[in-house]
Amino acid sequence: QKEVEQNSGPLSVPEGAIASLNCTYSDRGSQSFFWYRQYSGKSPELIMFIYSNGDKEDGRFTAQLNKASQYVSLLIRDSQPSDSATYLCAVMWGYSSASKIIFGSGTRLSIRP
Amino acid sequence: NAGVTQTPKFQVLKTGQSMTLQCAQDMNHNSMYWYRQDPGMGLRLIYYSASEGTTDKGEVPNGYNVSRLNKREFSLRLESAAPSQTSVYFCASSDRTGSNTGELFFGEGSRLTVL
Repeated sequence: QKEVEQNSGPLSVPEGAIASLNCTYSDRGSQSFFWYRQYSGKSPELIMFIYSNGDKEDGRFTAQLNKASQYVSLLIRDSQPSDSATYLCAVMWGYSSASKIIFGSGTRLSIRP
Repeated sequence: NAGVTQTPKFQVLKTGQSMTLQCAQDMNHNSMYWYRQDPGMGLRLIYYSASEGTTDKGEVPNGYNVSRLNKREFSLRLESAAPSQTSVYFCASSDRTGSNTGELFFGEGSRLTVL
């Protein structure tokens, strides 16, 4: 079993709707959680970072973390065509700078006009 | 600031040839990482380094060697390239000191094809 699991999609959402992306992880003292967006042919870029249970909002993006269920999600409100990309969930294990960061396989999101 | 710089950006090798991918960061980060990305596979960790002189294996280390030459540079070497190593390679750096989150900063990637 992979340490970080995502549904590969594609996930198709109409413009203006809410896109919901999910990620589960194995529990080995995981510490921090990241969501990256990657456009085709480009490098990943950070969208959200979360490390405590609950919700964290930044503009149209909300990250949700539930450590008891080993589950982290990303909600995108008012989806725009420019949100069409692959979204990568990443989990950081370790307390120090010697931290392993493992990615899920990514979810392809398509926003249809 | 250039951030994270990878060279070369493109490379074609024949099976059995060797090569080194170079990575340098100018953000004074302690940690550096090498990932590979294949279609539909997300990013898979090859090796990482917490500081100069230390390296650790990631998810897929077989067939690769790394060197953390100094705080700025982290190189990835393929001693005998195989077609299965055809991929896009990303170098990244991060910093967890102080209030920094450990966010990864990526290079532009190196596209390697092994024939």
